Amino acid sequence: SAVISQKPSRDICQRGTSLTIQCQVDSQVTMMFWYRQQPGQSLTLIATANQGSEATYESGFVIDKFPISRPNLTFSTLTVSNMSPEDSSIYLCSVEGGTISTEAFFGQGTRLTVV
Amino acid sequence: GQQLNQSPQSMFIQEGEDVSMNCTSSSIFNTWLWYKQDPGEGPVLLIALYKAGELTSNGRLTAQFGITRKDSFLNISASIPSDVGIYFCAGPDNYGQNFVFGPGTRLSVLP
Repeated sequence: SAVISQKPSRDICQRGTSLTIQCQVDSQVTMMFWYRQQPGQSLTLIATANQGSEATYESGFVIDKFPISRPNLTFSTLTVSNMSPEDSSIYLCSVEGGTISTEAFFGQGTRLTVV
Repeated sequence: GQQLNQSPQSMFIQEGEDVSMNCTSSSIFNTWLWYKQDPGEGPVLLIALYKAGELTSNGRLTAQFGITRKDSFLNISASIPSDVGIYFCAGPDNYGQNFVFGPGTRLSVLP
């Protein structure tokens, strides 16, 4: 399985500011995803990060709020813009891979607290 | 869209006991994935299932892909304190492009 590194691992931010989260994978992967996990909840897909084109956002998530970059097959960033306390969550980078079929692997997550 | 349900939502067990949890879907899945998430960490893949009826083990963990392809079970034998965490089931969405996650089962192990 791929090794996925996320930075920062946690941050406390002021409302109205923006935070960019980085995701680095140790091998080239086709599919990269960003998830949000609100406190005590399951994982919700924000978007698929597409290399060389705009990300594909899920219902309820928009590019202006969560701009995503994917400059190559090993790296992606997610920005949480104009933050409010409701954005306090864990943000997770995920890649798809597997020897037999599709499996999803995750970074350790970024725990964001907005005050 | 596809939705997964997990039961129980949470459970408290004594160390050494066996644990069983399940995941059900309103639609057919071709792959079932089971993850464990420790506090402050991302989910870690425990077991992947690819065929209806398949039974797969990983140490003390055993998971089964239901015959109807709408459910899956995860069993943990002889639980230990480090089994504490949240267990999620997941499967590929209708387009096979990303994954749908269940709400999770929160496991607590009492010494």
